[in-house]
Amino acid sequence: EIVVTQSPATLSVSPGERATLSCRASQGVDIYLAWYQQKPGQAPSLLIYGASNRAPGIPARFSGSGSGTDFTLTISSLHSEDSAVYYCQQYSTWPPYTFGQGTKLEIK
Amino acid sequence: QEQLVESGGGVVQPGRSLRLSCATSGFTFSAYIMHWVRQAPGKGLEWVAGISFDGTKTYFADAVKGRFSISRDDSKDTLYLQMSSLRPEDSAVYYCARGRYARGDFDYWGQGTLVTVSS
Repeated sequence: EIVVTQSPATLSVSPGERATLSCRASQGVDIYLAWYQQKPGQAPSLLIYGASNRAPGIPARFSGSGSGTDFTLTISSLHSEDSAVYYCQQYSTWPPYTFGQGTKLEIK
Repeated sequence: QEQLVESGGGVVQPGRSLRLSCATSGFTFSAYIMHWVRQAPGKGLEWVAGISFDGTKTYFADAVKGRFSISRDDSKDTLYLQMSSLRPEDSAVYYCARGRYARGDFDYWGQGTLVTVSS
């Protein structure tokens, strides 16, 4: 099973600033990595797939990068509505599909 | 537009069974792999089970293998999760999700249904 680890667990950033979230896989997953956003009381929603492709309707301030074992989600200029928990998921080797434990992004 | 709506959650005693449903609309259900993902209260996401587009292949997380089954009815555009021998640690919100490809992300999710296993 591929273990996916996210850091940091919590991130606090001011509006307009940049947020950088990290995701590491225990073995290479090529670019088969997705990022999801989950706001309180809501289902997760797809942000990024294939490590760097924005899902339809996702603002350009969200970007993903990386390949192999190390990945980054960057939010270039934070808006208040970006407060959420962000999960990465590998879908290179399954079953099982595996998720990271999440990064909680707080807006100062 | 694509919609997934789960139902069937509730409170159930340990050792009992429960069947969840996920009614879909707005896309060709029979063309997609489908999944169940759960989230225990205050915890992260855990993939539970998946079923191929034609229903011939099913996949399970080790934590539920032998206790849960997944099925689909393409005539009703509906996905099911049959849960048996339920344990308190199965308590979670259960989401159904559409797989973009067999080796793909989950591009649409339902709103979830809460299952509580408690005596």
